[in-house]
Amino acid sequence: EVQLVESGGGLVQPGGSLKLSCAASGFTFSGSAMHWVRQASGKGLEWVGRIRSKANSYATAYAASVKGRFTISRDDSKNTAYLQMNSLKTEDTAVYYCTRHGGVHPMDVWGQGTTVTVSS
Amino acid sequence: DIQMTQSPSSLSASVGDRVTITCRASQGISNYLAWYQQKPGKVPKLLIYAASTLQSGVPSRFSGSGSGTDFTLTISSLQPEDVATYYCQKYNSALWTFGQGTKVEIK
Repeated sequence: EVQLVESGGGLVQPGGSLKLSCAASGFTFSGSAMHWVRQASGKGLEWVGRIRSKANSYATAYAASVKGRFTISRDDSKNTAYLQMNSLKTEDTAVYYCTRHGGVHPMDVWGQGTTVTVSS
Repeated sequence: DIQMTQSPSSLSASVGDRVTITCRASQGISNYLAWYQQKPGKVPKLLIYAASTLQSGVPSRFSGSGSGTDFTLTISSLQPEDVATYYCQKYNSALWTFGQGTKVEIK
């Protein structure tokens, strides 16, 4: 079964850091680009960023709202993608999803999400 | 950055009605357009990619069309299980962007 499982969410103070993980199974993780998407409560979906495969030099791209604060990485030996979040702001409070870019299929597999709350 | 604008923001229709949602890109994106369905409390689900290709397992009452800057998602006969928020998304470059969403309800 193709599956993505996020973890690492929690409560953090403004200015703090948090690292999310996304464990993949059931498909060739090393060949897939991985994305992070977030959704604040009652709001729409916001693309956060992505990391491509080794064949594409692990290229990363980020939304303007997180560029310079968030870093996406991956460990293909562990079938896991990561989202390192620094200098967190209250507006970063959201459910964070990891998703797969599967070949011609954009975001065809989603994790169940992990909740990040930034509050003092 | 390319902006994606959906309309309407919400709609209410009767079971069996034909429903159309539009998505406009601020610049041309060829056919790099996807549609997602998010039911209340659930994870988003890919419905359509490449503007008009139905994802495997998606009912045939869903269809997509368009190219360049103007796109539509059509539900040919609205069913109760289609109550959801629908999002378009462009993926023609390194930066992917979602539309703001269209909430579909049953009248």
